[in-house]
Amino acid sequence: GAGVSQSPRYKVAKRGQDVALRCDPISGHVSLFWYQQALGQGPEFLTYFQNEAQLDKSGLPSDRFFAERPEGSVSTLKIQRTQQEDSAVYLCASSSRYRYNEKLFFGSGTQLSVL
Amino acid sequence: TQLLEQSPQFLSIQEGENLTVYCNSSSVFSSLQWYRQEPGEGPVLLVTVVTGGEVKKLKRLTFQFGDARKDSSLHITAAQPGDTGLYLCAGGGGTASKLTFGTGTRLQVTL
Repeated sequence: GAGVSQSPRYKVAKRGQDVALRCDPISGHVSLFWYQQALGQGPEFLTYFQNEAQLDKSGLPSDRFFAERPEGSVSTLKIQRTQQEDSAVYLCASSSRYRYNEKLFFGSGTQLSVL
Repeated sequence: TQLLEQSPQFLSIQEGENLTVYCNSSSVFSSLQWYRQEPGEGPVLLVTVVTGGEVKKLKRLTFQFGDARKDSSLHITAAQPGDTGLYLCAGGGGTASKLTFGTGTRLQVTL
């Protein structure tokens, strides 16, 4: 596709529900990142994939957060038993290579509200 | 933990004014990127600097990477309403992995 696509655009969940957020990166992009952005703040790193391998998951806040990219393209971020503190915008980004200064292309994000 | 502090946090100026945004850290970064983010959208890359002391210009925007690669600045000349947005600096490490984003500077330019 033309850019990074994320769905749903908005998600409202009741506390305790499980949610799944989808990211469709730019075709052929090797690297995929998930970030969490609180209102008015900079994004915070969650996890990083190189193709289908999850190479860094040090930013996942708890074991309720799980990400996968089974075929090296589409990725899903799953949050189990959602809590109010999980409310944030979840951003996905991809890049064509895996160098540290490679250009990242971000999606528009999924805004998650946990009631 | 590498932290990037941006200042000011908020800036409201009139069209035609000049401004500078600062990005500071106690850590050394291999590269420094600047992004602009508009409401409801993801960040969009403006520039990447990799060499200490490097200066890059993008039309009315001037970016500088500190000599010690711990800080950076973004200077906007003759700001326009289209410059309104959240400006984010982001530091990269030496290996392929995450960027550390700054705390952000929200800029509003009014007519």
